[in-house]
Amino acid sequence: QVQLQESGPRLVKPSETLSLTCTVSGGSINNYYWNWIRQPPGKGLEWIGYISASGTTNINPSLKSRVTISDDTSKNQFSLRLTSVTAADTAVYYCARDYGFDIGGSEQYAMDVWGQGTTVTVSS
Amino acid sequence: QSVLTQPPSASGTPGQRVTISCSGSSSNIGGNSVNWYQQLPGTAPKLLIYNNSQRPSGVPDRFSGSKSGSSASLAISGLQSEDEANYYCATWDDSLNGWVFGGGTTLTVL
Repeated sequence: QVQLQESGPRLVKPSETLSLTCTVSGGSINNYYWNWIRQPPGKGLEWIGYISASGTTNINPSLKSRVTISDDTSKNQFSLRLTSVTAADTAVYYCARDYGFDIGGSEQYAMDVWGQGTTVTVSS
Repeated sequence: QSVLTQPPSASGTPGQRVTISCSGSSSNIGGNSVNWYQQLPGTAPKLLIYNNSQRPSGVPDRFSGSKSGSSASLAISGLQSEDEANYYCATWDDSLNGWVFGGGTTLTVL
């Protein structure tokens, strides 16, 4: 059974860089797509971006200038870097797998496995 | 302001049937399948419905989804107290070239 676990600093100072890692167990990141999603306190979900099994990334245009997603296949991990953070970046950060369900020969994707989430606060 | 529009709240009594709507446009729901996620208080979202109407293994058949044009709906029949949660619709947006979520609907079981 695939499990995801986020890790990284819980407190980041304004203007600094937020760095998180998602460790995948029970499956390989050499398949599917691997996402980062965040949820500000009391608000809804925001997709940050994903990295594919081949290492291609796709980032939310609203965050593209500040976000890098990378992977380390030797450790079965993928990571998020968000630069120049402000209080608006305070959120629970989740990693999630994008799984392609086979629907009549075509793949329909959905985030079927999520990490438990990690709360990151931006404050001096 | 979310790309997909959901009512902020919904409610029902035990045993009742409730529906939650999700409205989008031709660049998202109109051309792509819709997924629904359930987020119980203090937990990570859980996939509830994928490809508009299909349930992952383990999801009760009380939950059903549908899509018509640029809108989708989640229906919960035989409402139970443990269904109290936030529900989010999501789909791919071809203009943004990424996943978009609805703002979420808080379901209260009275």
